[in-house]
Amino acid sequence: GNSVTQMEGPVTLSEEAFLTINCTYTATGYPSLFWYVQYPGEGLQLLLKATKADDKGSNKGFEATYRKETTSFHLEKGSVQVSDSAVYFCALRMNSGTYKYIFGTGTRLKVLA
Amino acid sequence: DAGVIQSPRHEVTEMGQEVTLRCKPISGHDYLFWYRQTMMRGLELLIYFNNNVPIDDSGMPEDRFSAKMPNASFSTLKIQPSEPRDSAVYFCASTGSGSYNSPLHFGNGTRLTVT
Repeated sequence: GNSVTQMEGPVTLSEEAFLTINCTYTATGYPSLFWYVQYPGEGLQLLLKATKADDKGSNKGFEATYRKETTSFHLEKGSVQVSDSAVYFCALRMNSGTYKYIFGTGTRLKVLA
Repeated sequence: DAGVIQSPRHEVTEMGQEVTLRCKPISGHDYLFWYRQTMMRGLELLIYFNNNVPIDDSGMPEDRFSAKMPNASFSTLKIQPSEPRDSAVYFCASTGSGSYNSPLHFGNGTRLTVT
């Protein structure tokens, strides 16, 4: 079946450090890929998305590239801030059939000043 | 746009009581999803609707859980009777069917505590 695997957290970084959160997926077709962010006490919010191979999604300094050959969609940011502390979820949605979204388990990021 | 609206934000109830969680999706969205989030199990899809019709309820844990969507602007998730293991944050989310890359829009959740 279709699935998403994320690196386990928590990830703790100092301010201005480089961030990578790994995400790989398994899918029988061609999914759209998403990163969501959840701040404390809130619902998930879309951070960025990519819909086909080699697409790069970007938002608020975060980037992720849809790599079909490695079935990956790793999230990166060049310089994290304390305000980036949150839980990050990788997700996929198939481009045919069911409208279900499949989420990873989430990776908690803590950025220290 | 007001976004997805859930109520109440917090609910504390005693074991055995009925609990009803409410959701108003974004206007024009024809897909509505109910999720449950816990530390142990992460984010779980309970049920989703398309055009007010339940499409997949395979994630509903047991018969104590039921969900309805009487119209395009309102959905409920009911637990009867509630048990302590139902304690979690319940999220409602909606999206439109215009494209498969349409993102989900989440509400801020209802934190349920069953004592």
